[in-house]
Amino acid sequence: GAVVSQHPSRVICKSGTSVKIECRSLDFQATTMFWYRQFPKQSLMLMATSNEGSKATYEQGVEKDKFLINHASLTLSTLTVTSAHPEDSSFYICSARDLATGTEAFFGQGTRLTVV
Amino acid sequence: SQQGEEDPQALSIQEGENATMNCSYKTSINNLQWYRQNSGRGLVHLILIRSNEREKHSGRLRVTLDTSKKSSSLLITASRAADTASYFCATRPVGDDKIIFGKGTRLHILP
Repeated sequence: GAVVSQHPSRVICKSGTSVKIECRSLDFQATTMFWYRQFPKQSLMLMATSNEGSKATYEQGVEKDKFLINHASLTLSTLTVTSAHPEDSSFYICSARDLATGTEAFFGQGTRLTVV
Repeated sequence: SQQGEEDPQALSIQEGENATMNCSYKTSINNLQWYRQNSGRGLVHLILIRSNEREKHSGRLRVTLDTSKKSSSLLITASRAADTASYFCATRPVGDDKIIFGKGTRLHILP
């Protein structure tokens, strides 16, 4: 199946700093990528839909100025958590859909963010 | 927002028994997928069932879909310790690219 690579897998940062997470589709093109957040023992909550070459669409309650999304190419989307706080500590997962097949979404391995 | 509701929220069974998890959703869908997630890890795609399909098998997995009831079930037969994980259903609503996850079922297989 198609591969989505997410980097880094783990990151620890200090409060007030910014952290960038990358999501790459390695062997297919994805016009649309999705970013999810998952708190411990909870489900994945969709944060935003990232569209190549245009502004991301954020879900209700997600601050677009805090979670900056850039989808500059058909294979790369980035999520930047700005001015991180301990409550932003979470597991962030991206997914991408293969344009060729259009049905199944492939997920990255996730990024564990810890803000201290 | 979440589309799906799984039940039970947690399930403990003896190794070798069958495990059944259910998922209900709210809107019309293009397809429904089941994923497994081991603690603190990424998602593993298990199976996709399209809205015009009623049942699908993959190894020890059997998925059913009832679009009239807006529900799906995942059956794992002859469970193994390695099946211990959280299981999520995820739906793609009609006319939408988003994939929305249910709350998940935490499955624990007892040795």
